[in-house]
Amino acid sequence: DAMVIQNPRYQVTQFGKPVTLSCSQTLNHNVMYWYQQKSSQAPKLLFHYYDKDFNNEADTPDNFQSRRPNTSFCFLDIRSPGLGDAAMYLCATSARTGDAGELFFGEGSRLTVL
Amino acid sequence: GEDVEQSLFLSVREGDSSVINCTYTDSSSTYLYWYKQEPGAGLQLLTYIFSNMDMKQDQRLTVLLNKKDKHLSLRIADTQTGDSAIYFCADPSGGYNKLIFGAGTRLAVHP
Repeated sequence: DAMVIQNPRYQVTQFGKPVTLSCSQTLNHNVMYWYQQKSSQAPKLLFHYYDKDFNNEADTPDNFQSRRPNTSFCFLDIRSPGLGDAAMYLCATSARTGDAGELFFGEGSRLTVL
Repeated sequence: GEDVEQSLFLSVREGDSSVINCTYTDSSSTYLYWYKQEPGAGLQLLTYIFSNMDMKQDQRLTVLLNKKDKHLSLRIADTQTGDSAIYFCADPSGGYNKLIFGAGTRLAVHP
């Protein structure tokens, strides 16, 4: 049974047209993450939530925003996608704080920008 | 700053052993992790090693840790076609709640 579910799996958008990717979890984990993964590159952490506490990475562009309305759901908003934002976006959760411990990943949302 | 490096590709024959290597820069991590990503899927934890251990064995998997050289390796014995995937080394040294990944090693298993 899927525990971290991402929708949509594939998203095609036009240059500059806002996009929202969603993530839901049934694990009741405190921490939720968004990673960006480009081809042959390491997944790059964009931001994470510890409960409602939002933690942005210093090099995450302002074009990327996130919302966590409750424990189960987290959204990634890309306000004005550029061609360089085409990537796989991975949502993950963790039950631990401090040492991140085991992360549970969704299957990812692949974003194409035309 | 933190950095995790891996070679990008490894090709092995079915039945042979695979060794995937990783180097990291931060030595304060409590654990180090190996994640596996199969085609079209998310990352999944494969195994991990506690930083005060040199070796951990888990069925066909052997993890070796050399803290002095900051080198981590994953050995897969009797590699099967089902082991074809991308393997990521991960280090929690990025800070509170953070996991830093290497670029991943794509393992191709051929007959």
